Amino acid sequence: SQTIHQWPATLVQPVGSPLSLECTVEGTSNPNLYWYRQAAGRGLQLLFYSVGIGQISSEVPQNLSASRPQDRQFILSSKKLLLSDSGFYLCAWSPGQKTYEQYFGPGTRLTVT
Amino acid sequence: AQSVTQPDIHITVSEGASLELRCNYSYGATPYLFWYVQSPGQGLQLLLKYFSGDTLVQGIKGFEAEFKRSQSSFNLRKPSVHWSDAAEYFCAVGAAGDMRFGAGTRLTVKP
Repeated sequence: SQTIHQWPATLVQPVGSPLSLECTVEGTSNPNLYWYRQAAGRGLQLLFYSVGIGQISSEVPQNLSASRPQDRQFILSSKKLLLSDSGFYLCAWSPGQKTYEQYFGPGTRLTVT
Repeated sequence: AQSVTQPDIHITVSEGASLELRCNYSYGATPYLFWYVQSPGQGLQLLLKYFSGDTLVQGIKGFEAEFKRSQSSFNLRKPSVHWSDAAEYFCAVGAAGDMRFGAGTRLTVKP
């Protein structure tokens, strides 16, 4: 069966510091991968998605970036964090665009101080 | 572009009572429809999905949803709510290479 991992689970970082969140998927190959952000009491905002290695699409321009160095690895990064980057970051995968269903990781709680 | 509306931000029901969470979508054709549940501090779990066929779909944890094309709705139901159902529920629409989530409905269950 497929599983999705995210780490770290929680992170407290000062403003201006760098960020690296990692997501890995097991038990499948060539998944579509997604990064979402969920602000407190809000819905999900799609940040990035990837249909293959090195292929990243950005939904919202901001100081975050994403990379997919391996088929089942998706990384969310920032060079300098802003207070507004605080939130709950969710990684998800899907078997392909034809089915659309997505499966989510446990999330990373990021607090920027 | 497709969109999803969950009209109820917060719903409170008593344990053992029935539940219906509303979801309306906007899309020119029949989309793929989903309901997810999120417990506090956790990721989203897929409850059920509708692609085609029977308009009443069964999901996990005793939930079901009914697709009504004429009303552009995909409401989630459960005949008897348990305290453990307290969570945030998200409706989602997948179509045209994209997936959109509603803003969510927070469910509180009274003892």
